[in-house]
Amino acid sequence: KAGVTQTPRYLIKTRGQQVTLSCSPISGHRSVSWYQQTPGQGLQFLFEYFSETQRNKGNFPGRFSGRQFSNSRSEMNVSTLELGDSALYLCASSLAGENGYTFGSGTRLTVV
Amino acid sequence: AQSVTQLDSQVPVFEEAPVELRCNYSSSVSVYLFWYVQYPNQGLQLLLKYLSGSTLVKGINGFEAEFNKSQTSFHLRKPSVHISDTAEYFCAVSGNAGGTSYGKLTFGQGTILTVHP
Repeated sequence: KAGVTQTPRYLIKTRGQQVTLSCSPISGHRSVSWYQQTPGQGLQFLFEYFSETQRNKGNFPGRFSGRQFSNSRSEMNVSTLELGDSALYLCASSLAGENGYTFGSGTRLTVV
Repeated sequence: AQSVTQLDSQVPVFEEAPVELRCNYSSSVSVYLFWYVQYPNQGLQLLLKYLSGSTLVKGINGFEAEFNKSQTSFHLRKPSVHISDTAEYFCAVSGNAGGTSYGKLTFGQGTILTVHP
């Protein structure tokens, strides 16, 4: 079956702009989590959605937001981009979270 | 709150030698434990997981890990490595109390395994 699909794979944005990243989970998976990966901070949890409700939230500013649709697809949005937002953004999905998560290939965001 | 410490940032090893990547965790609640591998420019691939039951867990590509509750460790081992095992490896934990505890994985800083010919 198809894995977790993230689009786009690469993105270049200018400081101050906003960006929306998309994640299509594995069919039937209802939990979607997002992570930011940077060389300095490593893998940091952003948020998790389960059945369209945010179930967990990490320690990121309000500029980072997300949502989940009724078909379990998820989007994350970053407003007023800063240079420090440059990172690999990873999405992961699970049936309900209790059996581990499958990750997508990520979206590489570069802010210039 | 949970935290994960991977004790080695880099591990060089020769092909066909055994390897152990060390992981210690701290948590105020019971946990699930995971090892993921990341190849360059790719996402994370699940190697193995400990949810319950036997403390020795076998995963893909010949890897295994042992959960030691008293030492709060979950070390990853492989008896004979290949060049293709060169990658970055991440240990992660989540709560196991249901619902909101599952969805947040806390990762270690990663261990870069380099296999030399």
